[in-house]
Amino acid sequence: RKEVEQDPGPFNVPEGATVAFNCTYSNSASQSFFWYRQDCRKEPKLLMSVYSSGNEDGRFTAQLNRASQYISLLIRDSKLSDSATYLCVVGPGAQKLVFGQGTRLTINP
Amino acid sequence: GAVVSQHPSWVICKSGTSVKIECRSLDFQATTMFWYRQFPKQSLMLMATSNEGSKATYEQGVEKDKFLINHASLTLSTLTVTSAHPEDSSFYICSARRASGRSDTQYFGPGTRLTVL
Repeated sequence: RKEVEQDPGPFNVPEGATVAFNCTYSNSASQSFFWYRQDCRKEPKLLMSVYSSGNEDGRFTAQLNRASQYISLLIRDSKLSDSATYLCVVGPGAQKLVFGQGTRLTINP
Repeated sequence: GAVVSQHPSWVICKSGTSVKIECRSLDFQATTMFWYRQFPKQSLMLMATSNEGSKATYEQGVEKDKFLINHASLTLSTLTVTSAHPEDSSFYICSARRASGRSDTQYFGPGTRLTVL
C-alpha cells in the first residue's frame, strides 16, 4: 500500500465548477500536510498547508480528518489557470515529505 | 516566497559521463536540502536528504556511490550523477527546508531534466 494515495484522474470539469479531491495516508503519526500543484514539466509549488481545523485560502479549502487519515481539497469557481496536477503531500515528521501520485485536473472553457 | 534555484535546467549527456546539478537557496539559509527524482507520470520520489556539514542520508534503494551529494554551505547543495546511464534519465528536483512559524516548508527548485543518451 502506498503511503499517500490519490486518484490520478484525469478530472475534466467546466470553468466555474466546484471540484474536490481526496487523499489518504497510511502513517497515523504524520505531522504535517500540504497540497502542492505541479504544472507540466515544472517543479511543485506549495498551494497551501492543511491544518487540523481546516483552512481556506480564497477559492481553495483544505480539510484534514485525522481519524480517517484523509485530506481533501476543494476548489470553487474553477478557473482555466487551475489546470494542473495537484499533489497531496504528507510529512511523517518535521523533515521528510511523502508525495502522492498527484491528481490531474483540466478546466475546460 | 522563498526562492530556490537549480542549475542547469536541462542537460543531455553521453552514457558513462558524470553530471553535476547545483541547488541554491537564494534568500534564506537551508541546513537541510532534499533531492527528488520524478519519472514521467509518476510521483516525486525522495532520493536523499542533504545536511550541511555532514553526510547525506540516502533513501532505500538509492546508491550513494552513484549519486554523490555535497552540502558545502548553508545555501548550496550539489548532486553528481556519476557514470550516468539512460535509465538515470529523469527530472531531478531539489528542495530547501525553511523553518518558519507554524510549520516547516520545503521550497522547490525549478528542476533539472537529465537525458542520458
